[in-house]
Amino acid sequence: GNSVTQMEGPVTLSEEAFLTINCTYTATGYPSLFWYVQYPGEGLQLLLKATKADDKGSNKGFEATYRKETTSFHLEKGSVQVSDSAVYFCALSEIAGKSTFGDGTTLTVKP
Amino acid sequence: DTEVTQTPKHLVMGMTNKKSLKCEQHMGHRAMYWYKQKAKKPPELMFVYSYEKLSINESVPSRFSPECPNSSLLNLHLHALQPEDSALYLCASSLGLAGVVSADTQYFGPGTRLTVL
Repeated sequence: GNSVTQMEGPVTLSEEAFLTINCTYTATGYPSLFWYVQYPGEGLQLLLKATKADDKGSNKGFEATYRKETTSFHLEKGSVQVSDSAVYFCALSEIAGKSTFGDGTTLTVKP
Repeated sequence: DTEVTQTPKHLVMGMTNKKSLKCEQHMGHRAMYWYKQKAKKPPELMFVYSYEKLSINESVPSRFSPECPNSSLLNLHLHALQPEDSALYLCASSLGLAGVVSADTQYFGPGTRLTVL
């Protein structure tokens, strides 16, 4: 079946540091890939998505590229802020309506 | 309006109670979802409605009963829950204009935090 593996957390960075959160996936077909962010006490918000190989999703300084050859969708940001502290979920959707989520990575950014 | 609203925000109930969770969206989305999320875990899909018809039930126990009275509303009726059902219940919606498609972006509500005593 489908699966998503995220780098284990938690991740602690200083403000303005470079962020990478690794995500690799296993799927039988051609899934769409997503990054969601969940702030404390809130629901999930879509951060970015990519629907086919080599697509790059970007939003609020975050980027991720759909790499079919390495089955990866790593999340990057050049300079993190304290307000980026949250839990980040990588997810794929192959079968309509069914998303497979990674376990989540908790990011803490210190001033 | 890109918002999914959920009520109540918090709910405490006993194992013999009957309660309902409510979800509403006014984005014209035709697919709606219920998820259950335990602390420090990813969301788990429970149900999917497409055009007000139940299209996916992830083998959820019958003590959870979903209802989609119209295209904007989604309810989750709760009866005889167990303490292990305590969790954050998230509602989501997506365009779903051609049925539910894999690339559909899901918009999540803030959730209802449920505690079963």
